[in-house]
Amino acid sequence: DADVTQTPRNRITKTGKRIMLECSQTKGHDRMYWYRQDPGLGLRLIYYSFDVKDINKGEISDGYSVSRQAQAKFSLSLESAIPNQTALYFCATSASGGAVETQYFGPGTRLLVL
Amino acid sequence: LAKTTQPISMDSYEGQEVNITCSHNNIATNDYITWYQQFPSQGPRFIIQGYKTKVTNEVASLFIPADRKSSTLSLPRVSLSDTAVYYCLVDSGGGADGLTFGKGTHLIIQP
Repeated sequence: DADVTQTPRNRITKTGKRIMLECSQTKGHDRMYWYRQDPGLGLRLIYYSFDVKDINKGEISDGYSVSRQAQAKFSLSLESAIPNQTALYFCATSASGGAVETQYFGPGTRLLVL
Repeated sequence: LAKTTQPISMDSYEGQEVNITCSHNNIATNDYITWYQQFPSQGPRFIIQGYKTKVTNEVASLFIPADRKSSTLSLPRVSLSDTAVYYCLVDSGGGADGLTFGKGTHLIIQP
């Protein structure tokens, strides 16, 4: 969905390096999420934010941190990258207030940690 | 947390109707059922959502029995481009409980 953008789209880094993945959205949604996807494991939630001042850990937050700089921006950091963080990372957004939410996903960032 | 169970994979042929069933025995009163589709190297995208009985849109139909303990996504006359992973989620919109995509169902359509 072009309304949710992720940068970079691909990244190769070395063990121990700090990297940041960025997500921006123009949908005006208040909720944002970071997921990782590994082959055969589906999507797993890393962190989520329901508004600018709200940060929550997901299923697999260890080794990651996030920052919600503005309603439209949500970044994911790997403080010291390790090879098992090699994965496809997705950002998603949704709007609160409805009966149930629909999430809109970005194109993904493919990360390789050597 | 209403856990969902779906088949890991399914095969079908072009032009056939495909039905993918999801079990959610512990669904709560406020939970809705949502299905997403994911193509390789792309993020999931919303297909259809429902609460009870039947919902139909331009892409699919969703059948939900009265007890709501399962749901069936129906794709009419599939084509090769329907090859994807399909995820069933149960969510009330009140938190992260429904944000568990699981492994989904890998649907493979053959000519």
